[in-house]
Amino acid sequence: GNSVTQMEGPVTLSEEAFLTINCTYTATGYPSLFWYVQYPGEGLQLLLKATKADDKGSNKGFEATYRKETTSFHLEKGSVQVSDSAVYFCALSPYNFNKFYFGSGTKLNVKP
Amino acid sequence: DTGVSQDPRHKITKRGQNVTFRCDPISEHNRLYWYRQTLGQGPEFLTYFQNEAQLEKSRLLSDRFSAERPKGSFSTLEIQRTEQGDSAMYLCASTKPDHANEQFFGPGTRLTVL
Repeated sequence: GNSVTQMEGPVTLSEEAFLTINCTYTATGYPSLFWYVQYPGEGLQLLLKATKADDKGSNKGFEATYRKETTSFHLEKGSVQVSDSAVYFCALSPYNFNKFYFGSGTKLNVKP
Repeated sequence: DTGVSQDPRHKITKRGQNVTFRCDPISEHNRLYWYRQTLGQGPEFLTYFQNEAQLEKSRLLSDRFSAERPKGSFSTLEIQRTEQGDSAMYLCASTKPDHANEQFFGPGTRLTVL
């Protein structure tokens, strides 16, 4: 079956620290992988995506690489800001995007 | 784009009552998805429409749940005989043709069943 596992939070970092949020997946076939972000009081927004192995998705300084050999899609950012404080969700979808599977979310708190 | 809208934003009901939620996707978005999200968890897929056709339903969608998208535009999600376990945030998302991997989410409807 299809599922996503991501590291539990909350993750608390100081401003300008390096961020890694781990995400691993189980899937049949060749899924697309996503990171979504939910800022306080707002709806989910697509942050980045990768559609095939070795693709790197990037946006707003965040990056994640689709690693088929380790079934992982870890989110990284070199220098976090207070404004990055949010809940981050890893997700996957089969090739036809008929459904999406989300992880349980990781809350990030960035302190000034 | 005006964004995906959902109505109501909050609903409090008593156990056993029926409730209906509405989702208006972004104009010309042909796919529409419903999710349920409980506190501390990620969204769980419920069902998916392509235009007016309901093409996928999760096993989470018991026979008390029904969704429609009669004209391929807005969609409704009805829960009959609500139970306390139905308390959750109900999310709607839509995607445009040829960009099915880019979901745009609405703000959600928070349901509380007393």
